[in-house]
Amino acid sequence: GQNIDQPTEMTATEGAIVQINCTYQTSGFNGLFWYQQHAGEAPTFLSYNVLDGLEEKGRFSSFLSRSKGYSYLLLKELQMKDSASYLCAVRDGDYKLSFGAGTTVTVRA
Amino acid sequence: IAGITQAPTSQILAAGRRMTLRCTQDMRHNAMYWYRQDLGLGLRLIHYSNTAGTTGKGEVPDGYSVSRANTDDFPLTLASAVPSQTSVYFCASSERGTGELFFGEGSRLTVL
Repeated sequence: GQNIDQPTEMTATEGAIVQINCTYQTSGFNGLFWYQQHAGEAPTFLSYNVLDGLEEKGRFSSFLSRSKGYSYLLLKELQMKDSASYLCAVRDGDYKLSFGAGTTVTVRA
Repeated sequence: IAGITQAPTSQILAAGRRMTLRCTQDMRHNAMYWYRQDLGLGLRLIHYSNTAGTTGKGEVPDGYSVSRANTDDFPLTLASAVPSQTSVYFCASSERGTGELFFGEGSRLTVL
C-alpha cells in the first residue's frame, strides 16, 4: 500500500514562493504526480516525476528524491488564482494512483 | 468538447436504496477509475479498470461494484446505500502507462 504525507494548510503572500513537501512510503513506485484542485472543482494534472531531480514547468517546479521518498512542489511568483488544494500522488506498479490528503494553499494580497 | 461526463451532478438518496453513478469518456482512454473524496482524507480509489472487460478493486471497494462493458462507459453502483457513502465521487480516465488522469466534474452524493 501507499502512505503519503503532506501538510494540511499553507498561507503565503502574492508574489512570494511556497514549497509544498510530500513524503511517501510505498510498496511499489512508478512515478510521483502533483495535481491542483480549486474548491468545488475536479483535480487537474500539474507535474510528473519518475527520475530524481527537478522538473520545471513555468512558475511551477517539482522535485523528486526516490531514495528519500520525498518530493516537493514549488510555486513561484504566487498569484491569487493559485489558491487551491495541491495533491501529491504516487503511482504503483499496476499504474494505480494513490493520493495524499492534499495541501490547501491560501494566497493573500 | 472531449472529456469525461458524470451523472448525476448531485443526488440525495435514502439509505438502503440502490444507486448508479454514470461515467462516460470520449477520449478512448484504456484505463478508468472511480475515486471518492472526503474532507481530510483526500481521494481514495474505489475501483478501477485497465481496459474494457476487466476491473479491479482499489483501496475502499466494499459496498460498491463496477462494470466495463466497453471503452467509454464505467458505471459505479451502490447496491444498498449507507450514510457513510455520503461523499463526492470522481470518475477519471487515462491512457494506460501514463499517470495523467483526466477527471469528471464529480457527483455529490448524500445518503440519509
